[in-house]
Amino acid sequence: EAQVTQNPRYLITVTGKKLTVTCSQNMNHEYMSWYRQDPGLGLRQIYYSMNVEVTDKGDVPEGYKVSRKEKRNFPLILESPSPNQTSLYFCASSSSQGATGELFFGEGSRLTVL
Amino acid sequence: AQKITQTQPGMFVQEKEAVTLDCTYDTSDPSYGLFWYKQPSSGEMIFLIYQGSYDQQNATEGRYSLNFQKARKSANLVISASQLGDSAMYFCAMRGTNNDMRFGAGTRLTVKP
Repeated sequence: EAQVTQNPRYLITVTGKKLTVTCSQNMNHEYMSWYRQDPGLGLRQIYYSMNVEVTDKGDVPEGYKVSRKEKRNFPLILESPSPNQTSLYFCASSSSQGATGELFFGEGSRLTVL
Repeated sequence: AQKITQTQPGMFVQEKEAVTLDCTYDTSDPSYGLFWYKQPSSGEMIFLIYQGSYDQQNATEGRYSLNFQKARKSANLVISASQLGDSAMYFCAMRGTNNDMRFGAGTRLTVKP
């Protein structure tokens, strides 16, 4: 089954404790991205990657890191989480680059930083 | 910079009636794609419909159609014959040639029986 898998789905952590949210897709997609969803703000892009070893900042990259060492994986790293990073996070992938091509989303990861 | 605006935080519609969810956008890209996604209370993001900026005809997918008015920079979603299962958050999104995908703030649709 074609899918985007995120882990963990739910996480409660404390300020400053490094964490990684993993994302993996099995559709051989070149394009992958991370979003955060907050009430009233919709989804905001954190980082995206057009292929292996190619990453770019989205609208809200501060406090986050990403890497793309393999085509299928695109982990999101919070080096020192803060309470304002409490949010619902989505990973997504797409087979097309440029303006066309729908995004396939993971199920979301709900992160709470105390 | 690209921007997506959804001005309706919430909408109500009677079951079996049609409803239009508004979306306007701003971009300097000559080529772009417009998307609508549905997010039910369970949280997953479901792709509904796509419109390319050069497409001459409005996109349709079953009960969903996209009213694309390029000169007005609007891409409204029309849902015909609403069903109770259509109650959800709806997001309009735009993707430019540089790949950045921007979403609107969303519209929460409630279908009344």
